[in-house]
Amino acid sequence: DAGVTQSPTHLIKTRGQQVTLRCSPKSGHDTVSWYQQALGQGPQFIFQYYEEEERQRGNFPDRFSGHQFPNYSSELNVNALLLGDSALYLCASSSDGPTQYFGPGTRLTVL
Amino acid sequence: GEDVEQSLFLSVREGDSSVINCTYTDSSSTYLYWYKQEPGAGLQLLTYIFSNMDMKQDQRLTVLLNKKDKHLSLRIADTQTGDSAIYFCAGADTGRRALTFGSGTRLQVQP
Repeated sequence: DAGVTQSPTHLIKTRGQQVTLRCSPKSGHDTVSWYQQALGQGPQFIFQYYEEEERQRGNFPDRFSGHQFPNYSSELNVNALLLGDSALYLCASSSDGPTQYFGPGTRLTVL
Repeated sequence: GEDVEQSLFLSVREGDSSVINCTYTDSSSTYLYWYKQEPGAGLQLLTYIFSNMDMKQDQRLTVLLNKKDKHLSLRIADTQTGDSAIYFCAGADTGRRALTFGSGTRLQVQP
């Protein structure tokens, strides 16, 4: 059983560009959450998708947007990249239970 | 919202017990979690405890919850060098699935 997968593993962009990160949830999971982890800090919740709708959102600007597809996979889009967007972006999947399982993350570097 | 605080660093010798502490501000947290993160990797769910429990044991791991003091701890028995990592505690509000993480405790196990 494949766990949560994310692509790409690493990404380098320049300021002002746009980026799309992808996540496939664990088999049987229908909910995807995205987190941003800056260097030396704990993950910060960005938003959560369920039934192709954004169900909950953290304190992130509108430059951060997402999408969930009918197969439950998800994308995170960030527009007008800033240096401060450099971080590890983590995707987590869950179902009805209380646990969220995380993928390996995408390391985004903004130059 | 919720704030979660952890001490930054803990060093132990191989074979000793490790105790990692966490305090949280929101008494309505339904679930409290411990995650492990190795360098360059995603988050691995270690265990979680429901708010109506005081203790949970899972092999070498023991979680203690003091609701009165809003204090959570993770004890690792017979700590091994492979336990060296950053440990995050996290909480989730009732009815919500956004996890709020602490800043992490770096555990260093010396041979």
